[in-house]
Amino acid sequence: KAGVTQTPRYLIKTRGQQVTLSCSPISGHRSVSWYQQTPGQGLQFLFEYFSETQRNKGNFPGRFSGRQFSNSRSEMNVSTLELGDSALYLCASSSTSGRLNEQFFGPGTRLTVL
Amino acid sequence: AQSVTQLDSHVSVSEGTPVLLRCNYSSSYSPSLFWYVQHPNKGLQLLLKYTSAATLVKGINGFEAEFKKSETSFHLTKPSAHMSDAAEYFCVVSELISSGSARQLTFGSGTQLTVLP
Repeated sequence: KAGVTQTPRYLIKTRGQQVTLSCSPISGHRSVSWYQQTPGQGLQFLFEYFSETQRNKGNFPGRFSGRQFSNSRSEMNVSTLELGDSALYLCASSSTSGRLNEQFFGPGTRLTVL
Repeated sequence: AQSVTQLDSHVSVSEGTPVLLRCNYSSSYSPSLFWYVQHPNKGLQLLLKYTSAATLVKGINGFEAEFKKSETSFHLTKPSAHMSDAAEYFCVVSELISSGSARQLTFGSGTQLTVLP
């Protein structure tokens, strides 16, 4: 079974631009979560989608948004980029959104904002 | 509210010696607990999980962790370190949020493990 894939792997943008990141979950998984990882803040939860519905959202500004498609693929969008948005963005999938269910992580997208 | 504290940001061991990575948690309800490992420029890989069955949990690559409710701890151990174990390790707690319809995952700040030859 193929793992979680994320595209692109690396991205360089300038302040004020917007960016869209993509995540394809493991086949059959219906839950997709997004995380931001930075050296200063560590791993922070952005949001989780299950069957095209946002189930939970972390404490991030409205510039961060996401969606999930009927095939469970998910996209994350960041508008009006700031320097502080530079981070590794990780996507994780799981078969359900239950607390017992482990998540499988993709390799991440490294976003650099100049 | 839940929280996770990884007591050491860096741990160094010699190859062949035991590894101990410490994790304490705070949770309102019965939590699920996980340990993940992250190698450089890679995503996170699940090492093991505790879901209220046996308190001693065995994972991949010889790692295990013991859930101690009285101490609110979930320390990760390995009897003999290998060079390939050098990575960052994250302790994670998962519980249902108040609405009961979704989970909330909280990650510890990570412990960087260095294995010396």
